[in-house]
Amino acid sequence: KAGVTQTPRYLIKTRGQQVTLSCSPISGHRSVSWYQQTPGQGLQFLFEYFSETQRNKGNFPGRFSGRQFSNSRSEMNVSTLELGDSALYLCASSLAGGITGNTIYFGEGSWLTVV
Amino acid sequence: TQLLEQSPQFLSIQEGENLTVYCNSSSVFSSLQWYRQEPGEGPVLLVTVVTGGEVKKLKRLTFQFGDARKDSSLHITAAQPGDTGLYLCAGASGTYKYIFGTGTRLKVLA
Repeated sequence: KAGVTQTPRYLIKTRGQQVTLSCSPISGHRSVSWYQQTPGQGLQFLFEYFSETQRNKGNFPGRFSGRQFSNSRSEMNVSTLELGDSALYLCASSLAGGITGNTIYFGEGSWLTVV
Repeated sequence: TQLLEQSPQFLSIQEGENLTVYCNSSSVFSSLQWYRQEPGEGPVLLVTVVTGGEVKKLKRLTFQFGDARKDSSLHITAAQPGDTGLYLCAGASGTYKYIFGTGTRLKVLA
């Protein structure tokens, strides 16, 4: 079965612009979570959605937002980009989210460079 | 705040050597996962451990979950260049998110 698909894979944006990243989860998975990965901070949790509802949110400013559609596909948006937003953004899907015994599967990520 | 500390942070070894990576926390996790990530790719799940004291083997990789479910280890026997990558542990926090460890970057030299 198809894995988690993220688009675009690579993108370059200018400071002040906004960006939208897309994630298609594994078929049947209703939970989608987003992570930011940087060399200095490692993998940081952004937010998690289940059945179109945000169930948890990490410690990121309001410039970072997301949503989930009825088909479980998800998007995340970053507005007013800053140089520090340059990172690998990873989407992960699972049947039920971060609970005991549940497994999350990652996409290949979207590389964002802010110049 | 739940944290997962991994050690060592970096490891460079020769092919054929054995190694152990540790993942420690002061918090209890209901389950813990290990991932390997290669450059430019997302993390790939290696194993999930759920029960305290559980030991799982995956070919040359042995995973152990501490009795108190606060720590875990990954042991690789006879490492190969293909084992090179970033190893990450992740704990289920019980609030719909995973807490990831700081990562161990392994390089196996041929």
